[in-house]
Amino acid sequence: QQQVKQSPQSLIVQKGGIPIINCAYENTAFDYFPWYQQFPGKGPALLIAIRPDVSEKKEGRFTISFNKSAKQFSLHIMDSQPGDSATYFCAASFEAGTASKLTFGTGTRLQVTL
Amino acid sequence: GAVVSQHPSWVICKSGTSVKIECRSLDFQATTMFWYRQFPKQSLMLMATSNEGSKATYEQGVEKDKFLINHASLTLSTLTVTSAHPEDSSFYICSARYFTDTQYFGPGTRLTVL
Repeated sequence: QQQVKQSPQSLIVQKGGIPIINCAYENTAFDYFPWYQQFPGKGPALLIAIRPDVSEKKEGRFTISFNKSAKQFSLHIMDSQPGDSATYFCAASFEAGTASKLTFGTGTRLQVTL
Repeated sequence: GAVVSQHPSWVICKSGTSVKIECRSLDFQATTMFWYRQFPKQSLMLMATSNEGSKATYEQGVEKDKFLINHASLTLSTLTVTSAHPEDSSFYICSARYFTDTQYFGPGTRLTVL
């Protein structure tokens, strides 16, 4: 019940395309859903996060869509650029004071070609 | 703001020796710090959670006598890999947060045990 399933495992899009990465969770107690971007040899960096009281959130070219009834959320990258080539991880957690911790998806390797 | 540093960024050691990795929150007080391990092309695996001034909580399957974690201050946590062996070679990443706020990740430390 603590798993977060992420798909696809890898994705190749052309510059300007809109890659979509999907995640699904089981634990309905999760109430915080962040996306992280990781470049090779670096630590993950927070991109955008959403809570279940909203269905969509946009920050720049990144959009999260959230479907509470389906227990799914997805990341859309608008006008993708070669510099967006990285591994993306979704995650989920629930606030339980200092015990709260992130459960990560398996990651999606995105390649944006020219 | 919200910068987390790690030192060293990479380390090579001989089998049987101990290695200490530092994690510092540079511009905020970290009430909780987390230590992750990441193998190539895999997701982040949480090793332990530490709160300032108290003992770390280790995830199932993580040897607490092998991976010693100390969170002595609100800005510093250390991970010591004791009697390191080649199978301990990995990418170690820490993260930090202030109470239940966003987790910010460090840049990671690449450990190679010969």
